[in-house]
Amino acid sequence: AQSVAQPEDQVNVAEGNPLTVKCTYSVSGNPYLFWYVQYPNRGLQFLLKYITGDNLVKGSYGFEAEFNKSQTSFHLKKPSALVSDSALYFCAVRDGGYSTLTFGKGTMLLVSP
Amino acid sequence: ETGVTQTPRHLVMGMTNKKSLKCEQHLGHNAMYWYKQSAKKPLELMFVYSLEERVENNSVPSRFSPECPNSSHLFLHLHTLQPEDSALYLCASSQEGENYNEQFFGPGTRLTVL
Repeated sequence: AQSVAQPEDQVNVAEGNPLTVKCTYSVSGNPYLFWYVQYPNRGLQFLLKYITGDNLVKGSYGFEAEFNKSQTSFHLKKPSALVSDSALYFCAVRDGGYSTLTFGKGTMLLVSP
Repeated sequence: ETGVTQTPRHLVMGMTNKKSLKCEQHLGHNAMYWYKQSAKKPLELMFVYSLEERVENNSVPSRFSPECPNSSHLFLHLHTLQPEDSALYLCASSQEGENYNEQFFGPGTRLTVL
């Protein structure tokens, strides 16, 4: 079975400061990891993914994520937060042998001016 | 239109009504999905169609019935729903194959069951 944990319901950060949204996962095989963002009244938008290769993955809107196999983590990061980054962020994992994604419960990011 | 579209965007129905949600993808993908998003819960995968065949059903109640007439269109038929079925219903598509590609989501249908 595959699972994802996002331990924080909400993350607060001031504009201009770095941000981190945490994600840990559990799979039986090789993990395929994704981050999505959801703005109010919108569907989910893809940010970035890790399939193989470099542990540091760069994605849309200046976001990046670091795959850490020993800690089974895939934390989302951004060096300098913007107020417009405020949204709901979802981590998702896919086991190599499965055809579906398992999503975390989401973390609300609030960036204050 | 581009991407994944869903209609209607909002729907209010009584428990005895029958309605359908529609999803269309303009990306040339070969797999489509229905998800249910409820407040403070993880996204729940309801149905998957890959190459127009349903490949997974996560024990969804029979009052939800999917239909995928071709690779671009996906429907979710609703009948005798319960108030707890009120949620945001999201459609997604992806290109399945050797690479594990990301899913593209529509804007969702906000369903309220009275």
